[in-house]
Amino acid sequence: GAGVSQSPSNKVTEKGKDVELRCDPISGHTALYWYRQSLGQGLEFLIYFQGNSAPDKSGLPSDRFSAERTGGSVSTLTIQRTQQEDSAVYLCASSLARGQGANEQYFGPGTRLTVT
Amino acid sequence: AQSVTQLDSQVPVFEEAPVELRCNYSSSVSVYLFWYVQYPNQGLQLLLKYLSGSTLVKGINGFEAEFNKSQTSFHLRKPSVHISDTAEYFCAARMFSGGYNKLIFGAGTRLAVHP
Repeated sequence: GAGVSQSPSNKVTEKGKDVELRCDPISGHTALYWYRQSLGQGLEFLIYFQGNSAPDKSGLPSDRFSAERTGGSVSTLTIQRTQQEDSAVYLCASSLARGQGANEQYFGPGTRLTVT
Repeated sequence: AQSVTQLDSQVPVFEEAPVELRCNYSSSVSVYLFWYVQYPNQGLQLLLKYLSGSTLVKGINGFEAEFNKSQTSFHLRKPSVHISDTAEYFCAARMFSGGYNKLIFGAGTRLAVHP
């Protein structure tokens, strides 16, 4: 079956603009995660969605970052008023919610965001 | 604080030689441990995981890792590497406490296999 997909694969934006990054998880995976991979910071957790539960937003770096997950499937990560330090690869992952499968996160190819 | 440390940022090795990529974690609670591989311009792929049971776990592509609780380590090994193993490798932990839902990653180790 299809894996996790993300769009766009690359995004170049001007400082101060808003951007939206999209993630399509694997069908049937109710858990969805966003991570950020940047030079000097490695891989950082941003946010976690599980079903209808309140998301774990503990990793969002500022209030310019937000995410939603509509219909328990597709997720959108929005960055408002982008700054140069937001430049990074944004990775999405999904997994089953419970059991052994909850420990296998499948990652998408990422969106490379460049803020100029 | 809970953390994952990868001791080597880069590891050069010749083809068919053995390799060990080191990983240590810091946690006062139980953990699940993982190794992921990232090939250029691709997402992360799970190599192997330790959840419980046997401390020696085998993964894909001939890799294995050993969980050592007393040394809080989870080193990745391969007895004979190939050029195609050139990639970045990430150790990660899922800890049984606050933030259980997230993976904490090490900084990564870039494995460069030379002919």
